[in-house]
Amino acid sequence: DAGVTQSPTHLIKTRGQQVTLRCSPKSGHDTVSWYQQALGQGPQFIFQYYEEEERQRGNFPDRFSGHQFPNYSSELNVNALLLGDSALYLCASSARSSQVEQYFGPGTRLTVT
Amino acid sequence: AQSVTQPDIHITVSEGASLELRCNYSYGATPYLFWYVQSPGQGLQLLLKYFSGDTLVQGIKGFEAEFKRSQSSFNLRKPSVHWSDAAEYFCAVSHGSSNTGKLIFGQGTTLQVKP
Repeated sequence: DAGVTQSPTHLIKTRGQQVTLRCSPKSGHDTVSWYQQALGQGPQFIFQYYEEEERQRGNFPDRFSGHQFPNYSSELNVNALLLGDSALYLCASSARSSQVEQYFGPGTRLTVT
Repeated sequence: AQSVTQPDIHITVSEGASLELRCNYSYGATPYLFWYVQSPGQGLQLLLKYFSGDTLVQGIKGFEAEFKRSQSSFNLRKPSVHWSDAAEYFCAVSHGSSNTGKLIFGQGTTLQVKP
């Protein structure tokens, strides 16, 4: 049973650029949440998707956007990258019946220079 | 607003010794509570969860946690620590009623295990 997968593993971008991160949920899950984890901090909720729509959003600017596809996979897009966007981006999947019970992928390490 | 506090940033214990990691939350109603573990450079692994019922919950890897409503706490325990338990531990809370799925995490506690 495949768990949550994320790609790429690592990414280096320059300030002002745009980036797309990808996530495939665990088999049987239809809800995807994204979190940002800065170095030495706990993860912070960015947003959650199910039925291909953003359902909840944390305190992040509009530069952060997402998408969910019919197969439940998801993308996180960040525009106009800032140095402060450097972090580990975690994707978590869950089932609609228990959205709080989330299973995390290994993350994508984004470095902005 | 909901918040989670993990008072201990760093804890060192000897292998074989017992462990308790503290977690306090701020929320009016009964929340859903979780403990996750993160090894260096890895994602988060769910250790255990509390939704309702028995306030002592068992998890994977020999961990357990106790929900104490009067103290707004959900402390993680293990009777005998193994060297492989060295990692970062996160307590998280979510709304119990709306089931919306947003998790709020504490700052984490780094566990170091001495041989």
